[in-house]
Amino acid sequence: DQQVKQNSPSLSVQEGRISILNCDYTNSMFDYFLWYKKYPAEGPTFLISISSIKDKNEDGRFTVFLNKSAKHLSLHIVPSQPGDSAVYFCAAPGAGNMLTFGGGTRLMVKP
Amino acid sequence: DTEVTQTPKHLVMGMTNKKSLKCEQHMGHRAMYWYKQKAKKPPELMFVYSYEKLSINESVPSRFSPECPNSSLLNLHLHALQPEDSALYLCASSQSRDFYEQYFGPGTRLTVT
Repeated sequence: DQQVKQNSPSLSVQEGRISILNCDYTNSMFDYFLWYKKYPAEGPTFLISISSIKDKNEDGRFTVFLNKSAKHLSLHIVPSQPGDSAVYFCAAPGAGNMLTFGGGTRLMVKP
Repeated sequence: DTEVTQTPKHLVMGMTNKKSLKCEQHMGHRAMYWYKQKAKKPPELMFVYSYEKLSINESVPSRFSPECPNSSLLNLHLHALQPEDSALYLCASSQSRDFYEQYFGPGTRLTVT
């Protein structure tokens, strides 16, 4: 049973526009969420996180929104840049800080 | 400095070989992790070390043997692997198991022939 799901395997956006990546979770015990960005042949890079006591966290062009009642979070990238093209994973730490990752969404930002 | 280094970048080994993957961090982190990532899949946790002690082993076959010689180093010893073990092996670290942000290395691309 996938506890963290990213239902869109890919997303294509024009440069300068907003990218919205979505993530759903089923485990109501999750109280912290992270977004990672991954380029081919590289390890995931930590991007931004959010605690369940907040509903929004912002860092530059990146904002994560959390809707606990819907068990849904989203990552907004504004404005999108070609260098943002990568695979984005949402993740939640379970017991012992074991990260459970979603399946990933491949973002393509077109110039 | 948020760097985790891994060597080698690429490794090709036969099913009878013995090899080791190495991971190093100098951030003073006390938790270190091994993940395995297959193509087009998310990373899957294999092992967790906390203060140089193995705290989690996610039912990984014994042909994978982790070792944490000191707080900065993490090794993964490989022996008698199968072709299906070919994957990207990622190392990560965090301040401790209580700190959720994990920092990943670039990974070792392993091919078993």
